[in-house]
Amino acid sequence: DGGITQSPKYLFRKEGQNVTLSCEQNLNHDAMYWYRQDPGQGLRLIYYSQIVNDFQKGDIAEGYSVSREKKESFPLTVTSAQKNPTAFYLCASSISRPGTGQGNTIYFGEGSWLTVV
Amino acid sequence: AQKVTQAQTEISVVEKEDVTLDCVYETRDTTYYLFWYKQPPSGELVFLIRRNSFDEQNEISGRYSWNFQKSTSSFNFTITASQVVDSAVYFCALSVGGSSNTGKLIFGQGTTLQVKP
Repeated sequence: DGGITQSPKYLFRKEGQNVTLSCEQNLNHDAMYWYRQDPGQGLRLIYYSQIVNDFQKGDIAEGYSVSREKKESFPLTVTSAQKNPTAFYLCASSISRPGTGQGNTIYFGEGSWLTVV
Repeated sequence: AQKVTQAQTEISVVEKEDVTLDCVYETRDTTYYLFWYKQPPSGELVFLIRRNSFDEQNEISGRYSWNFQKSTSSFNFTITASQVVDSAVYFCALSVGGSSNTGKLIFGQGTTLQVKP
């Protein structure tokens, strides 16, 4: 089945640790995104990538890092510099057609819950 | 600056009632895209609809309908004859730009809909 797979579903992090959330898509989408959701709030953009080996900071990139070495993969690392990492993290992807003026639909994975213990 | 406002934090209805979820957006771009997503308790965001700024036609899909009015910068979502399975958090989102569109979504805070049997 085509889709976006995030793992793990639940992750616990100790203070001072870095953790990496996996996101894989087999939709052949060029663009990938990471959003953070806090309880009772909307989603906020952390990082996005429109093409392999290139990515841009979103609105709340501090304390996070990403890589885009393969088209289908966009892992997110939550570093120890992120002071309040407990949240629900959603990975997403879309077909990117730069310059065509197309607003592409963004599809989401099932999310990963990160808790600091 | 772009912004999406969902003024209704929580709505509770009895099954078979009609319910309208409000969405008001702000942008100075003439080209933009509006979306609605459903987030059931499992957490995944499910895409419902995408509209571009040049298409103000209302749309109906089964029990769902959307009313897009540029004059009031609103993109409201109505569920007719609501069912318990409609219980979820619903998000309205905005993506701006034509040829410069990066696909980034700006989300509202979400409206929690509870449909009671």
